[in-house]
Parts: sequence; structure tokens; C-alpha cells
Amino acid sequence: DQQVKQNSPSLSVQEGRISILNCDYTNSMFDYFLWYKKYPAEGPTFLISISSIKDKNEDGRFTVFLNKSAKHLSLHIVPSQPGDSAVYFCAATQTGANNLFFGTGTRLTVIP
Amino acid sequence: DTGVSQDPRHKITKRGQNVTFRCDPISEHNRLYWYRQTLGQGPEFLTYFQNEAQLEKSRLLSDRFSAERPKGSFSTLEIQRTEQGDSAMYLCASRLLGTGTGELFFGEGSRLTVL
Repeated sequence: DQQVKQNSPSLSVQEGRISILNCDYTNSMFDYFLWYKKYPAEGPTFLISISSIKDKNEDGRFTVFLNKSAKHLSLHIVPSQPGDSAVYFCAATQTGANNLFFGTGTRLTVIP
Repeated sequence: DTGVSQDPRHKITKRGQNVTFRCDPISEHNRLYWYRQTLGQGPEFLTYFQNEAQLEKSRLLSDRFSAERPKGSFSTLEIQRTEQGDSAMYLCASRLLGTGTGELFFGEGSRLTVL
């Protein structure tokens, strides 16, 4: 029962262009969403998050958009850099819950 | 480096053997989590501790798995009578309760290969 889904296993983008990574969720009780980035041989590292009371959160080159009615969120990276090449995981939780539900990840490759 | 550390980074064992992984969280973090990640999947929750108390266990944590955090500091995850299906990356994470909502700080993981 995959409550958080990332339907694109991979994405390739030219350096300097926008990367858009998508995530869908099924549990309407989720009210906090996070994106993690993972390099090979390293653990996931937190990137950016958004609460369900917002529809957008921005941090430098990274912006997360939340569409609650569609149960969809996306991560925009502008401009994309080769160092952004990694696997990106979307995660969701419910306030008061004690664990995160992760998607299966999207491998982003930024081509120089 | 004061991040989450895990040991060993890689363990190869034969089916039926026992293995133990250790996690040292960030020192002031009172919550410690274990996740498992298999190939092509995202991390899946196994269990978590608040200080020394194990407060929740996932259905993924079969009877062959046991986790401890005896003094509220480091934690161990033991797998008894390993099976090939146990092959995965075991990730430890920690956080300080009351800061943020779900941001976890992950270690680099312990990769288990069961032959």
C-alpha cells in the first residue's frame, strides 16, 4: 500500500534549466510534506518541506508546491546544476505521527 | 563530524546467521528511528525510540528483529536467523522532539547482503 508515489523513476535536465519532480499521495490525513536528496553511499538529507496550510515554500533555488485538492506536490529546482544530480525522495507525515512515508524516489541527472 | 553514524557500513552474511547494526545518533537528539530501504524503494519505517523507550514498531519488524536503545544514546538493531529477503540498506535517523515536524537526520546506512 504505497501512500506516497513518485511515478517518474528518472529525469534528465540540461544544466541551467528547470527540474520539476512530482509526487502524489493518497492519504488525506497527511499534513506535512518533505523532500530529501540522496547521493550514492550516503543517507538521505533533508532539502525542503511544506505544511498543508501553505501552497508554496521557497528556499533559494528550490521551491515546493502543494496542491491539496489533487493530493499532489512538486519540487522545482531553478536553475539546475550538475551537483543537483541525485535521487530525490518525497515524504509525507501527519502531525503527531511518528514516522515518515516515503515515495520510491526520482533519479535526477543534470547534464552539463 | 557530529552527524548520525552507523556501523558497520556493509555486512555480508550467510543465511541463518545473526547480525547486529549500531547507530550513534546526534548527541542531543532524543528520538531515534530505524528505516529499511530495499532496491528501487524508498525508506520504510521499522521502529522508533524516544530516549530509551521503544514506542512504535512497524509490521515489517518481524519477531526475528529486535532493537534496543539501552541508555537513550546509541541503538542496536539485531536480525536473527537472517533470510535473503533481509538484504537491504538499514538506515538510522534521529531528531530532537519539539523541533520541526518530520525532519529526520539520517546516517549513511548499513547495507546487509544475505547470501
